[in-house]
Amino acid sequence: RKEVEQDPGPFNVPEGATVAFNCTYSNSASQSFFWYRQDCRKEPKLLMSVYSSGNEDGRFTAQLNRASQYISLLIRDSKLSDSATYLCVVTDSYNTDKLIFGTGTRLQVFP
Amino acid sequence: ETGVTQTPRHLVMGMTNKKSLKCEQHLGHNAMYWYKQSAKKPLELMFVYSLEERVENNSVPSRFSPECPNSSHLFLHLHTLQPEDSALYLCASSQDPGTGGYNEQFFGPGTRLTVL
Repeated sequence: RKEVEQDPGPFNVPEGATVAFNCTYSNSASQSFFWYRQDCRKEPKLLMSVYSSGNEDGRFTAQLNRASQYISLLIRDSKLSDSATYLCVVTDSYNTDKLIFGTGTRLQVFP
Repeated sequence: ETGVTQTPRHLVMGMTNKKSLKCEQHLGHNAMYWYKQSAKKPLELMFVYSLEERVENNSVPSRFSPECPNSSHLFLHLHTLQPEDSALYLCASSQDPGTGGYNEQFFGPGTRLTVL
């Protein structure tokens, strides 16, 4: 079983749509969780951290369900500029500077 | 220069060549990382340096040799690589990973390596 699993997509959605990505992780002792964004042929950049209580940043909402080992990202009112690959990331349970990446979910927003 | 820079951005080498990748961070961080990103695979952590000491070596073949002369610079020396080593090599840096909690890792633009 992969340590972090994501649906690779692509998710093709029109501008203004709401889209949700899910991610599952295998290590129940993982401590920290994140969503990174990677544009085509660019480096990954932190989008947001994910907390147990859920957190929101503008049009983006992240949720964590520790019992189900499940992380989600919701994007409301999609923009063309949201087109990218979204990487689900967890930290190793013992070594918090070791990031474990999913393969990413590709989002394409069309006009 | 700001952030994390990497040179060269593109590299083509033969299997018998020796080359080096360079990473420099201008963020005042004290930890640096090498990652490998292959097509349709997740980013794989290769090496971690904290306070210029190697703290993680993720079962990487010896044909990859890292060097961290100071907290701002990180090198990846390459020799006798294989075609399957062709990938995007990303450098990242962060602050104080050993003090508990997570600190955001900032990535460089990467070196796209092709081994012929």
